[in-house]
Amino acid sequence: QKEVEQNSGPLSVPEGAIASLNCTYSDRGSQSFFWYRQYSGKSPELIMFIYSNGDKEDGRFTAQLNKASQYVSLLIRDSQPSDSATYLCASLNTDKLIFGTGTRLQVFP
Amino acid sequence: EPEVTQTPSHQVTQMGQEVILRCVPISNHLYFYWYRQILGQKVEFLVSFYNNEISEKSEIFDDQFSVERPDGSNFTLKIRSTKLEDSAMYFCASSELAGFEANTGELFFGEGSRLTVL
Repeated sequence: QKEVEQNSGPLSVPEGAIASLNCTYSDRGSQSFFWYRQYSGKSPELIMFIYSNGDKEDGRFTAQLNKASQYVSLLIRDSQPSDSATYLCASLNTDKLIFGTGTRLQVFP
Repeated sequence: EPEVTQTPSHQVTQMGQEVILRCVPISNHLYFYWYRQILGQKVEFLVSFYNNEISEKSEIFDDQFSVERPDGSNFTLKIRSTKLEDSAMYFCASSELAGFEANTGELFFGEGSRLTVL
């Protein structure tokens, strides 16, 4: 069973802080990983994807991938209250995404 | 900006009734998907569709489910005899390339159709 595991949270951080979201996956064959943001009652929105070991930065977001440890993370710098949402980690398996349960992030002013 | 559109946004039905959920994928996309999300749970893959046939389906996608692309633009999910446990948000998604080709597999999701089975 190919699984993606996330802590459900909530993760509470003050405005301006760095939020760190983590994810582990079970399938060593997975090559690409995705972070989606989902506001309550809305569809997932892609934040970024990563497929090489190391860091990938896009604005305030940095994705990190460690294939040896089967670990993916997302850092959000200068967190804003508008970042409050559920963050979904997903792995690509053939041509479908396997999602984790998501981590709820709360950014308080 | 092109987007995936879904109708209806919310449907309430009685158990045992047939439901059809409709999706219009982005026009140049070739790969189509249905996912579902039961309230408070994870987004789950149901089925992928390419070249007018199912390319992969999950264990959830049993005989009561079917998909078709009747007219080259719409992509539909039919649930033949709904059960209480089919209550969920159903998301359609489309992609220009399959993940294994592009190594990105970026999916564009519609806003979802909420199905409530009474």
